[in-house]
Amino acid sequence: EAQVTQNPRYLITVTGKKLTVTCSQNMNHEYMSWYRQDPGLGLRQIYYSMNVEVTDKGDVPEGYKVSRKEKRNFPLILESPSPNQTSLYFCASSSRWGKNTEAFFGQGTRLTVV
Amino acid sequence: AQTVTQSQPEMSVQEAETVTLSCTYDTSESDYYLFWYKQPPSRQMILVIRQEAYKQQNATENRFSVNFQKAAKSFSLKISDSQLGDAAMYFCAYRSAIRDGGSNYKLTFGKGTLLTVNP
Repeated sequence: EAQVTQNPRYLITVTGKKLTVTCSQNMNHEYMSWYRQDPGLGLRQIYYSMNVEVTDKGDVPEGYKVSRKEKRNFPLILESPSPNQTSLYFCASSSRWGKNTEAFFGQGTRLTVV
Repeated sequence: AQTVTQSQPEMSVQEAETVTLSCTYDTSESDYYLFWYKQPPSRQMILVIRQEAYKQQNATENRFSVNFQKAAKSFSLKISDSQLGDAAMYFCAYRSAIRDGGSNYKLTFGKGTLLTVNP
C-alpha cells in the first residue's frame, strides 16, 4: 500500500529539548516536504527536498532542520523547540515526473512545546 | 508568489442538500493544478478532486464537482447530496505545473473552510 508514515503522532516536549519527527514513504518519490498547520493559517511549507542530499527552505523554515540521506526518509529536526512551534505537522511526498501530481500526506504529528 | 483565498471560514448544510465552497487564487502562471483536500477529525489529508488548468472541462468525482473559472481565478467545490461523513475542514490548494525548481512543487493552501453537516 502506498503510504507516508510519520512518527510520532503525538508529542509533548519541553522548551529546548531536541526532537526529531520521522517521515518515510514507500513510493520512491523524489519530492518530499514538511508543512505545519495552524488554526486560521492553513498549511505552510517548512522545508522541501527534491532528491537525496538536496534540500531547501520553504516559507517558514526558522527553527527547523531537515536531512535527506536516503530517498525514502525525510526527518524534521527541532534542535531547540519553542512554544511557538506548537503545531500540527505533516510530511508529504510526490513524484516529480509524469502526469501524477498528487501529494501523499502522512497522518500528521501533533506537537506541543511547553 | 501565488496566494489562495477561502473566504468562508465556516459553512453548514443539511444532510442530502447541496453546498458550494468558494476558493479564489492569484497567479501569473498559465499552467498549474488546483486541488481540494478534505481533513476530517482524524486529521488525515484526503485528496477530494483535482483540476488541471489547461483543461476547460470541470473535474467531477462522484458527488464532488468543481466550477473552474480560469479568467476569474475561481475554483469552487460543489458537494451534492451531502452526507454526515462529508463534515470536515476543506482546503483549496494550488501547485505550479512548471517542473524546474523545487519551490514549484509546493502546495499553496487556503486557510480552510469548516463544513458542518446537519442531520
